[in-house]
Amino acid sequence: DAGITQSPRHKVTETGTPVTLRCHQTENHRYMYWYRQDPGHGLRLIHYSYGVKDTDKGEVSDGYSVSRSKTEDFLLTLESATSSQTSVYFCATTRQNSGNTIYFGEGSWLTVV
Amino acid sequence: GESVGLHLPTLSVQEGDNSIINCAYSNSASDYFIWYKQESGKGPQFIIDIRSNMDKRQGQRVTVLLNKTVKHLSLQIAATQPGDSAVYFCAENSLLNAGGTSYGKLTFGQGTILTVHP
Repeated sequence: DAGITQSPRHKVTETGTPVTLRCHQTENHRYMYWYRQDPGHGLRLIHYSYGVKDTDKGEVSDGYSVSRSKTEDFLLTLESATSSQTSVYFCATTRQNSGNTIYFGEGSWLTVV
Repeated sequence: GESVGLHLPTLSVQEGDNSIINCAYSNSASDYFIWYKQESGKGPQFIIDIRSNMDKRQGQRVTVLLNKTVKHLSLQIAATQPGDSAVYFCAENSLLNAGGTSYGKLTFGQGTILTVHP
């Protein structure tokens, strides 16, 4: 358990509205990630952060943006939600470079109607 | 691109049996592998990991085997219990370079559903 809290845990929103998901961690981990999980696709990386204000795109980043203004918080924003973004979103963190366990939060269920 | 996959999407066993979940990976440069357990409505939970310089690692009731020759990973659960019922993912940790350092990025397989019958 890496003290990862995601909010909101559940949200229903309308197509075209902006949505922000928050990930908060208490372990002072440097690296943070946002994944989405969909049936038939497993977990796919959306964006990641390797430090405050340092972020980059993952494999499914279109339609998403992120921000990391503090070590403990990593925000995922859907600028204009679409039905294809209905998914479960997981935040993950790890202490430092490769070889360290990556811990996951409990997930945020987002439904875009 | 590189991918990690599973041989069996579902596995049903009786309580007390040993379970074996298999995984194939394609990135021969990966040096770190992790098994996660995911229960319904929860996030993936770390079970055990193994580095590429090892071929076996044991934990509590779990063993991970790594065969680099055929790029195969397996998770063995001894004396499987109903509480072990979940989806199990293998993940391959590849290195990304950014900001002057390297760090891990996980690539996940599709998952195997393990059902343990009392």
